[in-house]
Amino acid sequence: EAQVTQNPRYLITVTGKKLTVTCSQNMNHEYMSWYRQDPGLGLRQIYYSMNVEVTDKGDVPEGYKVSRKEKRNFPLILESPSPNQTSLYFCASSSRALGGYTFGSGTRLTVV
Amino acid sequence: DQQVKQNSPSLSVQEGRISILNCDYTNSMFDYFLWYKKYPAEGPTFLISISSIKDKNEDGRFTVFLNKSAKHLSLHIVPSQPGDSAVYFCAARVLGADGLTFGKGTHLIIQP
Repeated sequence: EAQVTQNPRYLITVTGKKLTVTCSQNMNHEYMSWYRQDPGLGLRQIYYSMNVEVTDKGDVPEGYKVSRKEKRNFPLILESPSPNQTSLYFCASSSRALGGYTFGSGTRLTVV
Repeated sequence: DQQVKQNSPSLSVQEGRISILNCDYTNSMFDYFLWYKKYPAEGPTFLISISSIKDKNEDGRFTVFLNKSAKHLSLHIVPSQPGDSAVYFCAARVLGADGLTFGKGTHLIIQP
């Protein structure tokens, strides 16, 4: 089944403790992206990657890092999480041939 | 500056009637538009799209209309069903680019 898989689904952590949210897709898509969803703000892009070893900042990159060492994986790294990073995070991928994204099921992160 | 605007945070429609969700955009470089549907605790799923060379695209109960001169698109759902209750995101893309710009979403509630 074609899908984007994020892990974990839920995570509660403490301020300053580094964490990684993994994202993997099995569709051989070139493009991958991370979004966060917050009430009243919709979906905002954090980082994106157009292919292996090519990453760029989205609209709200502060406090986040990403890497794209393999085509299928695009982890999101929070080096020193803060409470304002409490949010619902979505990974997405797309092929340039297609119209839109396939989204993962989301990761709900709480930073206390 | 918000390039994709969904000015109605919520919309309530009676079952069986027509639901009309609106979206406005400001970037004249957008040439591909999509609607995504999102249920709680799930990732957004692609619903329907339209290219700027068209003014209408239909898929079953869902029709998207595009008015380029007004920079406006709308999603019509006829007839509305209880399972249509969800948050709907409008998104837009620039030709040749991969990134999607999302609106803030409209929460559609179908009343029995």
